[in-house]
Order: sequence, then structure tokens, then C-alpha cells
Amino acid sequence: KNQVEQSPQSLIILEGKNCTLQCNYTVSPFSNLRWYKQDTGRGPVSLTIMTFSENTKSNGRYTATLDADTKQSSLHITASQLSDSASYICVVSPLGNNNDMRFGAGTRLTVKP
Amino acid sequence: DTGVSQNPRHKITKRGQNVTFRCDPISEHNRLYWYRQTLGQGPEFLTYFQNEAQLEKSRLLSDRFSAERPKGSFSTLEIQRTEQGDSAMYLCASSLEENTEAFFGQGTRLTVV
Repeated sequence: KNQVEQSPQSLIILEGKNCTLQCNYTVSPFSNLRWYKQDTGRGPVSLTIMTFSENTKSNGRYTATLDADTKQSSLHITASQLSDSASYICVVSPLGNNNDMRFGAGTRLTVKP
Repeated sequence: DTGVSQNPRHKITKRGQNVTFRCDPISEHNRLYWYRQTLGQGPEFLTYFQNEAQLEKSRLLSDRFSAERPKGSFSTLEIQRTEQGDSAMYLCASSLEENTEAFFGQGTRLTVV
């Protein structure tokens, strides 16, 4: 069973709208949680990285939140743009083994005009 | 471009042939990772190097797979006697040290026919 579960699997929104992607994990204890954006056919690009002691991290229109008690993270995208269409992947690393990055399957976001 | 570089970007090979991929990490990054990604899934860990030492290998890395990083700089991933199930995107990532951002290359898309 994957230790990082993401929802929804796919999402379609209109340009300019906001959206929130969810990540639930069972990796515990964990060292850090990352969100990556991956365009089709390209490598993932880092959006945010949070340690277990952080609650929120922003990167432009992207804001990630973390609740270590409920083992949930979310990625909020504000004022979506067509270029936001991509897969968004949540990655959790166990404490003491940061090299072991556990990837979720990703949420496929499509932004339509 | 000083990012992670992977070559080739695409490779089509006949079943049973050997293939080799190359990854050039970001200069001075000690850690180098190989991942495999199939359609609709997040990347799966294959192996990890710290400098020239291969410190960890996944069970996914069968004896047909071998990775090297001879001088602690670039790395190669070789697949011998390719099978159709090897068709995937092979991603390389590098990072400076633990708990720092991991940067991914654009990947090598392998198609075994």
C-alpha cells in the first residue's frame, strides 16, 4: 500500500479559479514533505519543502500546508493559469532517511480557458 | 543551463538489447538518485549514490540493472536484455545534502518494442 495518497486523482478547473489538492500520508516519523509540479514528459520541479515543524510554506501562487497530527498536507493554487496544468506530486521522506523519498501518484490538474 | 541533465531524452530499443542512460547532476551535488516512473504513477526509487558510493538499491533494481558513478560526478544507468516492462521514464535527481531540495532532470523516456 502506498504510504502517500493523493486526492483527487484528477481535477479540471477554469482559469482564474482557486483549487486545493490533498495529500494524506502514513510515513511516520517523517523528515520533510515536498510538493512537486511535473509537466507531461518532463522531470518534477520542486514547489515547496516543509520540515515536520512547519505548518505552511508559500511559493508565489502556491501555498502548502502541513498538519503533522492528522498526517495531511494540502497544496492551494490561487488564481490558476493555463500553465498550471500539470501533475502535482506529494513526496514524504522518513526521519533519518531523507534519501528515501516516498512519492504519491499525483493529482493531474487541467486548467481550461 | 546548470540543472540536472539527462541523455538521451528518448530511447527506443528492441527487446533483448542493452541500453545505457547518462545523468549529469548539478555541480557539487554529492547525492544522486535514479527513479523510474510509469504513466500515471509517481516516481519509484531505484538507487542512490553519495559521491561515488552506491549506498542503496531498491528491490526494483533487478540484476539486469546496474548503475555507476565512477568519479562522483556523472552517473550511468544500464539495463541489459531489456524487456517490454522496462518501458518507462527514467529520472535522475541530485541534491547537495540531506534535507535540501532535490532537483530532477528531464528524464529519459525508454520504449522497448
